[in-house]
Amino acid sequence: QKEVEQDPGPLSVPEGAIVSLNCTYSNSAFQYFMWYRQYSRKGPELLMYTYSSGNKEDGRFTAQVDKSSKYISLFIRDSQPSDSATYLCAMPSSGGYNKLIFGAGTRLAVHP
Amino acid sequence: GAVVSQHPSRVICKSGTSVKIECRSLDFQATTMFWYRQFPKQSLMLMATSNEGSKATYEQGVEKDKFLINHASLTLSTLTVTSAHPEDSSFYICSAVIAGGPSGELFFGEGSRLTVL
Repeated sequence: QKEVEQDPGPLSVPEGAIVSLNCTYSNSAFQYFMWYRQYSRKGPELLMYTYSSGNKEDGRFTAQVDKSSKYISLFIRDSQPSDSATYLCAMPSSGGYNKLIFGAGTRLAVHP
Repeated sequence: GAVVSQHPSRVICKSGTSVKIECRSLDFQATTMFWYRQFPKQSLMLMATSNEGSKATYEQGVEKDKFLINHASLTLSTLTVTSAHPEDSSFYICSAVIAGGPSGELFFGEGSRLTVL
């Protein structure tokens, strides 16, 4: 079993839709959860991070963590074509906060 | 924000040759940089941790003699793929941590796509 599982998609939605992206993880010791956005042929950029359980909102983006289910989500409201990218969840490994374990990434396409 | 630059962005080489990829932090110093490999539709896999002035730490299964890493200054780390073979074709990405900055805040380069013929 992989430590972090993420459905690679692709996910195609119309502009304005609410998007839900999800990851599951196996290590209950994980406390810090990140979402990265990666445009085609570019490196990832940090979108949001959360610590422990609960929700965190930043504009149109909401990150949610359910530690009891080992399940994290990223919601995008009012999705825009510019949101089309691959979204990767990531968690620090036992090797330290800078050594991240990434999900496979979900490819999202928002069409006008 | 902090900028990390990779060069070249794309390289094609013949089997058996060596290829060097550079990772530079443009506006900050980075005592630690990380090198990843990403195959199509797969996640980033950490290859090694590059520490300025010391030997790199390689992840399990990564051949240190094949993937040579040098971190000679606080702004530059290089990855050399030696005697490249077609199976080494991949997207190589580096990330950097700001020296003295918060843990977990990584800045990624734009990646280098290697194609070995």
